[in-house]
Amino acid sequence: EADIYQTPRYLVIGTGKKITLECSQTMGHDKMYWYQQDPGMELHLIHYSYGVNSTEKGDLSSESTVSRIRTEHFPLTLESARPSHTSQYLCASSKPRGTSGGRGETQYFGPGTRLLVL
Amino acid sequence: AQKITQTQPGMFVQEKEAVTLDCTYDTSDPSYGLFWYKQPSSGEMIFLIYQGSYDQQNATEGRYSLNFQKARKSANLVISASQLGDSAMYFCAMREASGGYQKVTFGTGTKLQVIP
Repeated sequence: EADIYQTPRYLVIGTGKKITLECSQTMGHDKMYWYQQDPGMELHLIHYSYGVNSTEKGDLSSESTVSRIRTEHFPLTLESARPSHTSQYLCASSKPRGTSGGRGETQYFGPGTRLLVL
Repeated sequence: AQKITQTQPGMFVQEKEAVTLDCTYDTSDPSYGLFWYKQPSSGEMIFLIYQGSYDQQNATEGRYSLNFQKARKSANLVISASQLGDSAMYFCAMREASGGYQKVTFGTGTKLQVIP
């Protein structure tokens, strides 16, 4: 299965600080995603990337930005954190269809980052 | 209309019993995929099982099976012989083509609690 890592796991930070949430995967997956999830709620896609130098916004509007300079790395940045950004952020990656052993582009998730902005 | 509907916010099941978690979906795309994920309290999303829209047989992965009823647009997850470690949130998800990319939509989840 995919090996996908997120750091930090937990972050408590003050309003106005710039933060970067790291996400890396070692499986060579082309596609990567960022989701935002409030406790006990569904996941909302905020960013995705289909490969190096490709980034798109997802369904949920977010003040965060992403970059994809290397295949394995997909960091998310908040220039000025606010309490409304408090949430869990989940990173995922997937292989293209037809290469995923019949699992239809399954997304594999990292452990998540729980962000609390005071 | 909701793309993925999970009508059971919470479920209880006795240890060693089987449990069915409901999921219905809505799509006009003839080619789609259905997924189930488990999310323990630690927060990570763990992939459990996948069913393609053209698959003739219901998917199975160990104690997990997916009861796929295409005409009813339902994809219920069946967990056999429940274990205490199965206590978690369970999310149903669907992949479909949308505006040129493959979009995955998640349901609101079902919280399963396994009772000793």
